[in-house]
Amino acid sequence: DQQVKQNSPSLSVQEGRISILNCDYTNSMFDYFLWYKKYPAEGPTFLISISSIKDKNEDGRFTVFLNKSAKHLSLHIVPSQPGDSAVYFCAASGLSNFGNEKLTFGTGTRLTIIP
Amino acid sequence: EAQVTQNPRYLITVTGKKLTVTCSQNMNHEYMSWYRQDPGLGLRQIYYSMNVEVTDKGDVPEGYKVSRKEKRNFPLILESPSPNQTSLYFCASSQQGRTYNEQFFGPGTRLTVL
Repeated sequence: DQQVKQNSPSLSVQEGRISILNCDYTNSMFDYFLWYKKYPAEGPTFLISISSIKDKNEDGRFTVFLNKSAKHLSLHIVPSQPGDSAVYFCAASGLSNFGNEKLTFGTGTRLTIIP
Repeated sequence: EAQVTQNPRYLITVTGKKLTVTCSQNMNHEYMSWYRQDPGLGLRQIYYSMNVEVTDKGDVPEGYKVSRKEKRNFPLILESPSPNQTSLYFCASSQQGRTYNEQFFGPGTRLTVL
């Protein structure tokens, strides 16, 4: 049961344009959402996060939008740069079935920025 | 430099031969975790530890063991590896508390079990 879904395995965007990565979740108890970025042969690195009490968080070229009613969040990168080419993981934080805090990751979207 | 280190980075082994993947962090983090990354499945948590001597199962714990005898180290043990444990493994750490605290990941260990 995939509670966090990234339905687009890959995305190609022209340099300078906007990249929009999407993520859907099913568990309404998730209360914090994060995006991680992963380059080949490296571990994921934290990019940006948002609390469930907000609908937008911005950090430089990166903005995350949260639509709680639709259980949907998106990451916008403007303008896209070649160095943004990576795999992006969406993650959600909440309580597990055993009552402990845990992070649930999506399957990832490979973003390719075309020069 | 704040970091999470894993060793080895690459390992090819045979079915049934016990192995240990080490993980160490220098940030004095209480929380440590192991994940595996598989195509189409994303990152799935294997085990986690809230502090020394406190460990618990994640989503896919079968076939794995862990221990947390020291705060900085969190080794992953495969007592009898099988081919379905061929995967890319990541160790991560963060400050105690909510898991939305930024997790710092190691560089990964690519394991192949023949």
